[in-house]
Amino acid sequence: GQNIDQPTEMTATEGAIVQINCTYQTSGFNGLFWYQQHAGEAPTFLSYNVLDGLEEKGRFSSFLSRSKGYSYLLLKELQMKDSASYLCAVKDSNYQLIWGAGTKLIIKP
Amino acid sequence: ETGVTQTPRHLVMGMTNKKSLKCEQHLGHNAMYWYKQSAKKPLELMFVYNFKEQTENNSVPSRFSPECPNSSHLFLHLHTLQPEDSALYLCASSQESSGGADTQYFGPGTRLTVL
Repeated sequence: GQNIDQPTEMTATEGAIVQINCTYQTSGFNGLFWYQQHAGEAPTFLSYNVLDGLEEKGRFSSFLSRSKGYSYLLLKELQMKDSASYLCAVKDSNYQLIWGAGTKLIIKP
Repeated sequence: ETGVTQTPRHLVMGMTNKKSLKCEQHLGHNAMYWYKQSAKKPLELMFVYNFKEQTENNSVPSRFSPECPNSSHLFLHLHTLQPEDSALYLCASSQESSGGADTQYFGPGTRLTVL
């Protein structure tokens, strides 16, 4: 079966750095996505990785290791508005997105 | 963000009712999707339309019936639902349904409660 694992919940402090991990086992791989979803709102696209390595976009970075079936989302200089759920998703060999259950990130002052 | 809109935002219905959810995208995309999101569960893909043709139906019960009259509009017709169908129903669109980098853009969802 296909599976995406990510922690259910994480807590971090405003101004700090947090890393949200995602491991996957899928039939084929055509890229990995990270989305942010605030409570009651639409998921919004954050990043896409298809090659190994780190992609940096402002305060957010995403890393991929295809050989390990592993990715992480790194959030720097945390702000209260970063409190949200972060969803990891992988496109399989049929180009269908397989989703993790999401990581709820709580930011404390 | 008004790229993908959904109506209604909230819906309460009885098990014998018939209702429809509407989704509209203003992004010029050719693929549209319905997802179900339940608390603490991964998004479940329900239906995919690519160029108005249904390409995926992930074993969804027949009490959910999709309709895609054109590439900009998508409906989900609901009838004789069960309480376990209560969830957030999300619509998304993308340029097309294949292609690795093709990114899906989501609407705000319809919060459905079945009594």
